[in-house]
Formats: sequence, structure tokens, C-alpha cells
Amino acid sequence: QSALTQPASVSGSPGQSITISCTGSSSDVGGYNYVSWYQQHPGKAPKLMIYDVINRPSGVSNRFSGSKSGNTASLTISGLQAEDEADYYCTSYTSSSTVVFGGGTKLTVL
Amino acid sequence: EVQLVQSGAEVKKPGESLKISCKGSGYRFTNYWIAWVRQMPGKGLEWMGIIYPGDSETRYSPSFQGHVTISADKSISNAYLQWSSLKASDTAMYYCARGEVASDYWGQGTLVTVSS
Repeated sequence: QSALTQPASVSGSPGQSITISCTGSSSDVGGYNYVSWYQQHPGKAPKLMIYDVINRPSGVSNRFSGSKSGNTASLTISGLQAEDEADYYCTSYTSSSTVVFGGGTKLTVL
Repeated sequence: EVQLVQSGAEVKKPGESLKISCKGSGYRFTNYWIAWVRQMPGKGLEWMGIIYPGDSETRYSPSFQGHVTISADKSISNAYLQWSSLKASDTAMYYCARGEVASDYWGQGTLVTVSS
């Protein structure tokens, strides 16, 4: 199974919105509503931000939202804040009953 | 409070064996899948495999099948990741995490360094 495709980096200014894409295939992203997004700050464990494409765990800011169209899922962060600067990873369940990660996207808040 | 507490950092030589652990608490350990995730230095996250402690059903990523073994001891709420013969390329941070398709709780990570 191949890793999902994410842009290596994105950037935005405080207050702006950014979107990170995650492209797979009909065997993973397109075939299941089991896309998750994780935030990872340097030296820290990942944190779940979005699950099942659109759902936010308790405690996660509503500035974070998820969506999916076909084989591509997206994470949108609105009202960018300095604390949002981190690496972001998508995952998807696959037709092999496994999970695959995206390559990760480094978000820089300018 | 749900917690996953991993065993401490390890320094090993190539060819040695190793078993690291992940202890779950604050929830019914047998009811949730535990995944293992690798992060090589300066690189991204990689899903290695998963185990359901209730019946020890295990699934592996094709990239890791045959290279590691995932197991669990539900009597003490521990999940394990083990190697029979380490390589320098196994040097990485290893995380355990709760959940099958989405992981809501993560361990603090175990750093494994393999060097001669």
C-alpha cells in the first residue's frame, strides 16, 4: 500500500484559513469514511484532530474541519493561530483492513 | 483518565532482540484496538500494525509484516512490539495508540536506537 499524498508544506498568516489535501485511491480514502487527521508538534506525540472525515474529538477547536470529495480528503484550519504551527498527517482505513498515513504536511504560521 | 504508558528508551546492537511495551489504563483494555506507529528520525509517521487485545487478532502493514511481532497480554493490559534481530534502520521513535481507524490516545513514545 502506498502512502497517501499530502503537500510537503503550507503556510498562512494569523487569522487566515488554510487547507491541507490528502489524496489516496478508491481502495482507501475514496472507499471509506474513515479518514483521520493528526497534529504533531516537535518532540510530541500526535494528537487526533479529526476522525471519520468530519468529526472533531471533544476539546478540539471548531477552527479545525474536515471534508472529502472522491479520493481526496481535506483539513481546513480557519482563523490561523501561532499554536497551529505543526506537522499534520492524514490517515485512511484501507481495503486490506489496515491503515495508511499520508507523508505529512508542515504548517508554517507566518 | 485514559493513559498509555510505554517502556523506556532502548539502545541495542544490530542483531539483538527487543520487546517494548505499552500499558493501558483508565479504560477496558480488551475492548479497544492498539496500534503501533513508527517515526524515523526527521521523518513522517508510519502505521505498522494493530492488535485487538480481547482476542489477539492482529493485522500488519505489508511494509512491516515479517519484520516485527505485535502481541498483547490482556491480563496485565499490555501490548508489545518485538524484534528478533534488530537492524540499524530500526532506529526510530515508536508510538502505541488506541483505536482501529482513528487513535484518540497515544503513548509518550519509546525511542529505540540500534548502533554498533
